[in-house]
Amino acid sequence: QQQVRQSPQSLTVWEGGTTVLTCSYEDSTFNYFPWYQQFPGEGPALLISILSVSDKKEDGRFTTFFNKREKKLSLHIIDSQPGDSATYFCAAGNNAGAKLTFGGGTRLTVRP
Amino acid sequence: EAAVTQSPRNKVAVTGGKVTLSCNQTNNHNNMYWYRQDTGHGLRLIHYSYGAGSTEKGDIPDGYKASRPSQENFSLILELATPSQTSVYFCASGDAGGNSDYTFGSGTRLLVI
Repeated sequence: QQQVRQSPQSLTVWEGGTTVLTCSYEDSTFNYFPWYQQFPGEGPALLISILSVSDKKEDGRFTTFFNKREKKLSLHIIDSQPGDSATYFCAAGNNAGAKLTFGGGTRLTVRP
Repeated sequence: EAAVTQSPRNKVAVTGGKVTLSCNQTNNHNNMYWYRQDTGHGLRLIHYSYGAGSTEKGDIPDGYKASRPSQENFSLILELATPSQTSVYFCASGDAGGNSDYTFGSGTRLLVI
């Protein structure tokens, strides 16, 4: 049972371009949506997160958008850099649960 | 610096043998988690814990046990390792509640031959 779906599975963009990753979820009780970034050989690390009371959160070149009606969220990376090449996971959680539910991940490659 | 430390970093085990993966956190987090990561499956939750003495089954607990003897330590135990358990295992810690951030360890790469 996959409650959080992430797309695409892999993506290649050119340096300087804009990257868009998307996730959808099913459980309407989810109200917290973090994105994690994972470099090869390392564990995932929190990149940016958003609560369902907001529709947008920005942190430098990274922006996450949330659409409650459509149960979708996205991560936009502007001016993508080769150093952004990593696997990105979206996740979802709520106040009542003890755990986050992760999407399947997107492997991003940024070519110089 | 608060952290999650996993050991060993790499492990080769024989089929049918017992494997113990260890995790230590200095974040003073109540919750700890064990995930495995396989290509095409993302992060799948095996076991988690709310605190010392507690263990809960995650989404794929079969073939695995967990132990939380203290706030800081959380172990994953494979009593009878099988080749299908070859994977990369990650431990994480987080505050209580489903809307808290996780701190992940660097992972243990397990090969069962």
